[in-house]
Amino acid sequence: DVQMTQSPSSLSASVGDRVTITCRASQNIGTYLNWYQQRPGKAPKVLIYGASSLQRGVPSRFSASGSGTDFTLTISSLQPEDFATYHCHQTHTTPYTFGQGSKLEI
Amino acid sequence: QVHLVESGGGLVRPGGSLRLSCAASGFTFSDYYMSWIRQSPGKGLEWVSYISGTGDTIYYADSVRGRFTISRDNAKRSLYLQMNSLRAEDTALYYCARLIVRGIPNFDYWGQGTLVTVSS
Repeated sequence: DVQMTQSPSSLSASVGDRVTITCRASQNIGTYLNWYQQRPGKAPKVLIYGASSLQRGVPSRFSASGSGTDFTLTISSLQPEDFATYHCHQTHTTPYTFGQGSKLEI
Repeated sequence: QVHLVESGGGLVRPGGSLRLSCAASGFTFSDYYMSWIRQSPGKGLEWVSYISGTGDTIYYADSVRGRFTISRDNAKRSLYLQMNSLRAEDTALYYCARLIVRGIPNFDYWGQGTLVTVSS
């Protein structure tokens, strides 16, 4: 199975900060990488698909990049609603696998 | 508007069975792959299974293969997960999600989940 490792597992930040979360795959997954946001008590929501494509309706302060094994998600200016857990997810190979999540806290 | 509503969760003893359902609306259900994904309390997400729109392509995670069966009824716009021989480690919130397979596969809509607790 492809192992997905996110860092950091948790981070504290403030409104207006720029933050970056990284995700590393245990093997080359090309750009078969998605990012999801999960607010407390809610279902995950796709933010980014194909490593860098913004899902319709997602604010432009979210961006992502990477290919192969190393990927990043960046939030350019944190808003209060961005405090959530972020999950990376590979769909290059079944079984599809997720990272362990990165919790963004105030 | 796409809407997915799971039901059927509950408390079950180890070795028991449970059938989850997911009612879909707001899109042409038979045109889409569907999937089950679970999240153990305080832990990460684990993909469980997916099924094609016609039901002829099915895949399971190793952790559930042979115990869980995914199915769908397109006339009823419903997805199911029959879970047998349940174990404590199957305790989780189970989500159904629509799976986009054109381009880069991703889960573009999720339900709110149904909780399964396996305990004696």
